[in-house]
Amino acid sequence: GQNIDQPTEMTATEGAIVQINCTYQTSGFNGLFWYQQHAGEAPTFLSYNVLDGLEEKGRFSSFLSRSKGYSYLLLKELQMKDSASYLCAVSYSGAGSYQLTFGKGTKLSVIP
Amino acid sequence: NAGVTQTPKFRILKIGQSMTLQCTQDMNHNYMYWYRQDPGMGLKLIYYSVGAGITDKGEVPNGYNVSRSTTEDFPLRLELAAPSQTSVYFCASSYSGAWDSPLHFGNGTRLTVT
Repeated sequence: GQNIDQPTEMTATEGAIVQINCTYQTSGFNGLFWYQQHAGEAPTFLSYNVLDGLEEKGRFSSFLSRSKGYSYLLLKELQMKDSASYLCAVSYSGAGSYQLTFGKGTKLSVIP
Repeated sequence: NAGVTQTPKFRILKIGQSMTLQCTQDMNHNYMYWYRQDPGMGLKLIYYSVGAGITDKGEVPNGYNVSRSTTEDFPLRLELAAPSQTSVYFCASSYSGAWDSPLHFGNGTRLTVT
């Protein structure tokens, strides 16, 4: 099977920068998604990385290193509304089709 | 646009009862999915569909059934509910396969089986 590791919980201060890491071991890697999920709500799409490097989208950036099996989500100028779980999901080809596996998520708490 | 709509939002079932979770989307997406989310666990795929009339099992299909008679609707049927099916269920859709296309999720159904 696929193995995806993310820290379970993180705490950061309003206005600061936080980096949420995701490591994976998989064969047939295709790409990596990040989703945000506020408590009691549905996940929403943040980013998708296929190639190595950093992709920036406003206050959020996502980085991928395919050779290291590593990604991170960088959140700048943290706001209280960024308190949420952040889900890493890896897409890969296996058993003749493409699959998507989610990590367990990182619960981020932003404190004043 | 409403996006993906799920009903009901909450439900309590007794062991052995059956129910159908409804899901409809208005984005004309061919791909639709049912996931369950348990505390401390990643989202697990139950069933998915790549178009009307086509469904396939995901990672955890036991105890569930689906149908896809139209592009818009993808109901999930629970037969003989068990406590292990207590979970939050999310329906999702995507323009193309979830492996390279963002998923659009419904707001979830919180199901308790007692």
